[in-house]
Amino acid sequence: EAGVAQSPRYKIIEKRQSVAFWCNPISGHATLYWYQQILGQGPKLLIQFQNNGVVDDSQLPKDRFSAERLKGVDSTLKIQPAKLEDSAVYLCATRGDRGLAGELFFGEGSRLTVL
Amino acid sequence: ILNVEQSPQSLHVQEGDSTNFTCSFPSSNFYALHWYRWETAKSPEALFVMTLNGDEKKKGRISATLNTKEGYSYLYIKGSQPEDSATYLCALTDGSGNTGKLIFGQGTTLQVKP
Repeated sequence: EAGVAQSPRYKIIEKRQSVAFWCNPISGHATLYWYQQILGQGPKLLIQFQNNGVVDDSQLPKDRFSAERLKGVDSTLKIQPAKLEDSAVYLCATRGDRGLAGELFFGEGSRLTVL
Repeated sequence: ILNVEQSPQSLHVQEGDSTNFTCSFPSSNFYALHWYRWETAKSPEALFVMTLNGDEKKKGRISATLNTKEGYSYLYIKGSQPEDSATYLCALTDGSGNTGKLIFGQGTTLQVKP
């Protein structure tokens, strides 16, 4: 079974520029998450999708971050304009059909550096 | 907002030492407790998911216990090896709202010296 694919792996941009991250989940996994992991902190949930609907985006900074999941499969996370404090690893994760106690399957992450 | 605390923040041990980490969480709204291992430049991978008070799970030299009444879980590594070097993340499935949201602790970074 193919895992969760993310791209790009690394991105360096200047502040106020924009960036987009892409996630291709495991086939059939309906629930998809984007997490932000800042160095020294635990991953923080940005947005959760169930198929192509948003379940939770309470911690997404909506003035600069946006995310979509077209047709309930691939997802993109965009930051525009980026700030220095957005430097982090952006993790995409999906969950299968084991209900709320099911484990998450993660991609390798996209590491963003904002200069 | 639920808070998940892990300790210690980092740990350096010699090969062959046994070690353990702690994850503390509020016992209300508990649904499930996860442990993940995150090696540098790789994806975090699930070690255990536990749901019942008193649960004990084991995978090779790694084991975990769960106490939902007092709100803690321990992760044990017996006879640490250099390949165990990683960040170990604890996460709580939030039982409120029925979304299955995972709330992560800040992680414990383990370095095992040969």
